[in-house]
Amino acid sequence: DGGITQSPKYLFRKEGQNVTLSCEQNLNHDAMYWYRQDPGQGLRLIYYSQIVNDFQKGDIAEGYSVSREKKESFPLTVTSAQKNPTAFYLCASRAPDLNNEQFFGPGTRLTVL
Amino acid sequence: AQRVTQPEKLLSVFKGAPVELKCNYSYSGSPELFWYVQYSRQRLQLLLRHISRESIKGFTADLNKGETSFHLKKPFAQEEDSAMYYCALGGSRLTFGEGTQLTVNP
Repeated sequence: DGGITQSPKYLFRKEGQNVTLSCEQNLNHDAMYWYRQDPGQGLRLIYYSQIVNDFQKGDIAEGYSVSREKKESFPLTVTSAQKNPTAFYLCASRAPDLNNEQFFGPGTRLTVL
Repeated sequence: AQRVTQPEKLLSVFKGAPVELKCNYSYSGSPELFWYVQYSRQRLQLLLRHISRESIKGFTADLNKGETSFHLKKPFAQEEDSAMYYCALGGSRLTFGEGTQLTVNP
């Protein structure tokens, strides 16, 4: 595997703490995405970025923040304001020259203790 | 607003039987539709897209604009088809359905 990497694979945090999830890609894709995957709810879009130094809120952005300072990197911060942060988080990037196919990372499972 | 509905959360069939995973969408323009699959302990990956009109691993999906559906079909299911399947709608920004967990029994 290569392309998109996410770290760590598992993350534990205490209630009230902020935590940052890493997402890196070497596919030279402009667009990157963060999703949250919960059983029975599918994938829900948190934030996305079409280009460096720009990002937009998705459907469930409250309690999350992102930055896009480099093309390769799109870190997600889960803040203490997120009421139900325990979930599986997926990062993706999009290939516009492949009919908008999105390529996904392996995911990070966050557990709030 | 665009929306994707997959009415079956769980679907179980026997090996060799036909399988159909349902997907309905709501979209005001010309839709761009995809099926993504997540096998156990693997990454979510694209299975097929409607624009390509291709068959991947024996699966096909036809866009029916009249019924706003994009059902995924395979005439003879295999055990290795067991996975979570997601229907997705959109271009630069995707909307995913809730997913269908397919189990193919021996």
